[in-house]
Amino acid sequence: AQSVTQLDSQVPVFEEAPVELRCNYSSSVSVYLFWYVQYPNQGLQLLLKYLSGSTLVKGINGFEAEFNKSQTSFHLRKPSVHISDTAEYFCAVLSVAGNMLTFGGGTRLMVKP
Amino acid sequence: GAVVSQHPSWVICKSGTSVKIECRSLDFQATTMFWYRQFPKQSLMLMATSNEGSKATYEQGVEKDKFLINHASLTLSTLTVTSAHPEDSSFYICSAEDLGETQYFGPGTRLLVL
Repeated sequence: AQSVTQLDSQVPVFEEAPVELRCNYSSSVSVYLFWYVQYPNQGLQLLLKYLSGSTLVKGINGFEAEFNKSQTSFHLRKPSVHISDTAEYFCAVLSVAGNMLTFGGGTRLMVKP
Repeated sequence: GAVVSQHPSWVICKSGTSVKIECRSLDFQATTMFWYRQFPKQSLMLMATSNEGSKATYEQGVEKDKFLINHASLTLSTLTVTSAHPEDSSFYICSAEDLGETQYFGPGTRLLVL
């Protein structure tokens, strides 16, 4: 079994401030890790993914995430957010065998001017 | 919390048959549901957005006649894979959006076409 926990359901932040959205997971097998963004009234878009290799992954729109195996975390960061980053962000894990995909509960990022 | 169910969770069918997958929001009303497809070792691909009482909006490259979506009520959307072929074998996931625009994901349906 595997599970994903996004510790913050909402994160308010001022424009141009840095932000970190936290994601922790548990799994008995090796996993791939993903971050998705969902803008209002739209479907999910892939921000970034970790499959193997460097633990620091860079994605679109200036986001990056770091895979920490010992802490089973995959936190998402951005050094300076924009109003347009206001959206719901989902962390997900996929078992390497490819037969189980699990999402976290989502974190709503609210960027204020 | 809110729950989204999918039925069936597993389906194996012969090539040429049609398969219907149901997505239900169990304790909330969902005016919008999304259907995704996941290929092995890859991220999700949005197939279509389903709005209750209206036609689904398909993403570019998704065949409307192949993947029929019906959102007949505020708690049920169905995806029918018509004349399924082996290349349609995949993991199909739905999500439902409540009135507060919070997303809830179904557990997924694994389709294997022989």
